[in-house]
Amino acid sequence: DTAVSQTPKYLVTQMGNDKSIKCEQNLGHDTMYWYKQDSKKFLKIMFSYNNKELIINETVPNRFSPKSPDKAHLNLHINSLELGDSAVYFCASSQGEGERQPQHFGDGTRLSIL
Amino acid sequence: GESVGLHLPTLSVQEGDNSIINCAYSNSASDYFIWYKQESGKGPQFIIDIRSNMDKRQGQRVTVLLNKTVKHLSLQIAATQPGDSAVYFCAVFDYKLSFGAGTTVTVRA
Repeated sequence: DTAVSQTPKYLVTQMGNDKSIKCEQNLGHDTMYWYKQDSKKFLKIMFSYNNKELIINETVPNRFSPKSPDKAHLNLHINSLELGDSAVYFCASSQGEGERQPQHFGDGTRLSIL
Repeated sequence: GESVGLHLPTLSVQEGDNSIINCAYSNSASDYFIWYKQESGKGPQFIIDIRSNMDKRQGQRVTVLLNKTVKHLSLQIAATQPGDSAVYFCAVFDYKLSFGAGTTVTVRA
């Protein structure tokens, strides 16, 4: 059973396009996150949502717009893709917001901008 | 904000030996710490966590040590196996999780 699943796993697209990544978790968690991992493996939080409410927005360009239709889903839409957006994007979830609980990660979406 | 650093970017260890991965953090108010393992093509996988009211916690073949005085934590892996080859991250929680840069562990047969 996949706990946190992301689609697509790979995304190759042209600069300037708009794309979306979907994430779903079946753990019953209240909080979901998006992280970006660069080519040096550095992992940085972008957004967190708790029960569909935005909690953290870490100075991400407004071309990135997360949307949470319900607490089990957190999608990421990216407008006007740029070369620097090439990275691996990870979705994660945890129980509670601000609580000291481990976050569980999906296997990532590898975004390549041509 | 929190700054998290790892002492060594790579670690090569003989199969069967013990591995130690070190991590330093900057915010003395941080009170929750996690170690993750990331294999190629996968997301970070939870290994073990520790809260600031403890200085040691053990799991299956892993031990995390926390030294709040010098703001340092370490992950010890006993009897390292080929399946332990991966990138290991420490993560520190204040209002969000901040990740260190990662240590790539390679196990030699």
